Amino acid sequence: GENVEQHPSTLSVQEGDSAVIKCTYSDSASNYFPWYKQELGKRPQLIIDIRSNVGEKKDQRIAVTLNKTAKHFSLHITETQPEDSAVYFCAARIGSFSGSARQLTFGSGTQLTVLP
Amino acid sequence: DSGVTQTPKHLITATGQRVTLRCSPRSGDLSVYWYQQSLDQGLQFLIQYYNGEERAKGNILERFSAQQFPDLHSELNLSSLELGDSALYFCASSVGRDTNYGYTFGSGTRLTVV
Repeated sequence: GENVEQHPSTLSVQEGDSAVIKCTYSDSASNYFPWYKQELGKRPQLIIDIRSNVGEKKDQRIAVTLNKTAKHFSLHITETQPEDSAVYFCAARIGSFSGSARQLTFGSGTQLTVLP
Repeated sequence: DSGVTQTPKHLITATGQRVTLRCSPRSGDLSVYWYQQSLDQGLQFLIQYYNGEERAKGNILERFSAQQFPDLHSELNLSSLELGDSALYFCASSVGRDTNYGYTFGSGTRLTVV
């Protein structure tokens, strides 16, 4: 099955700096890569996603890049703000094969702390 | 409000007991996924149901079982509870059989086994 590794497990940055979180996946058939943000005690919320036919996607201060050859993808947050402090999870989903289920496999999470 | 409803929000029970967690998916979603999140741990996939049928199984213990009813709500049954079962249990839903557009998570049920 799919295995997703996420680094770093904790990340502290100064407000206004950039933050980068990296994930690698094992199954080359994976074709969908969402990122979730989870604030303390709350549900994970989808913040951005990318599909395997795209190399980069941006949404305001958030961007995700995908390198299919190396099987890794990254989340970039620019101009970080205190409200960006949360746990961020990457995930991957394998592609379509007859009879296979395609649930998301999550990374272990990154605790991002933005220091004022 | 994500549209995915989980009840109860909190549950405290003793070891050896049995509990049932409930999830109502977002309107129009046919798939329900159950995930376990232990303290400082990631999201571990337990099981998926699609339109009433089991679709995929993850690291779900034999003491745990689930089902999806005709109205598409799902229940996760946890029996012979152990201290290590204390965790946040999330339900998520998606439109199709597979996750083409990501999940929408419910707010979770926090289970404490004492």
